[in-house]
Amino acid sequence: KAGVTQTPRYLIKTRGQQVTLSCSPISGHRSVSWYQQTPGQGLQFLFEYFSETQRNKGNFPGRFSGRQFSNSRSEMNVSTLELGDSALYLCASSLQQGAGELFFGEGSRLTVL
Amino acid sequence: AQRVTQPEKLLSVFKGAPVELKCNYSYSGSPELFWYVQYSRQRLQLLLRHISRESIKGFTADLNKGETSFHLKKPFAQEEDSAMYYCALKDGNNRLAFGKGNQVVVIP
Repeated sequence: KAGVTQTPRYLIKTRGQQVTLSCSPISGHRSVSWYQQTPGQGLQFLFEYFSETQRNKGNFPGRFSGRQFSNSRSEMNVSTLELGDSALYLCASSLQQGAGELFFGEGSRLTVL
Repeated sequence: AQRVTQPEKLLSVFKGAPVELKCNYSYSGSPELFWYVQYSRQRLQLLLRHISRESIKGFTADLNKGETSFHLKKPFAQEEDSAMYYCALKDGNNRLAFGKGNQVVVIP
């Protein structure tokens, strides 16, 4: 069974730009969660999608948004990028909403210049 | 709001020595706790959860509600245990909150 796939793996943007990250969950998994990982703050929960609906949201500004498609694939978008948005963005999938066992992707490394 | 604290960022132990990673949490409800591990060049993955009360790769963790702790222990560390370990708490809204992690280095 293929694992969680995230694209792109690395990207560089400049301040003010926007970025879209993609996540393909494990086949059969309907829940997708997104986390931001930085050296200072660690892993911080962004949001969770299940059945194309956002079920949970972390404490991030509205510049961070996401969506989920009918095939469970998910995208997250960050608009008006700031230097502090530089981070590793991890996607995780699970069979059901709110599951404690998450299956993580390798992440998308975003650098904002 | 819930919080997960892992006080030691780096832990170095000799092979064969016991290892204990501390995790304390603050949460007003009934906690559901997990340990995740990330080996070098691998993905973050679940190691164990308190509900199952299992031993995985020789690791165990006991939930102590009185001390609000969920420490991870292994009696004899192996070189392959070198990794980053994260304690995580699931809150009443089904969000998984992670601690900042412990880097474990097992010295041969």
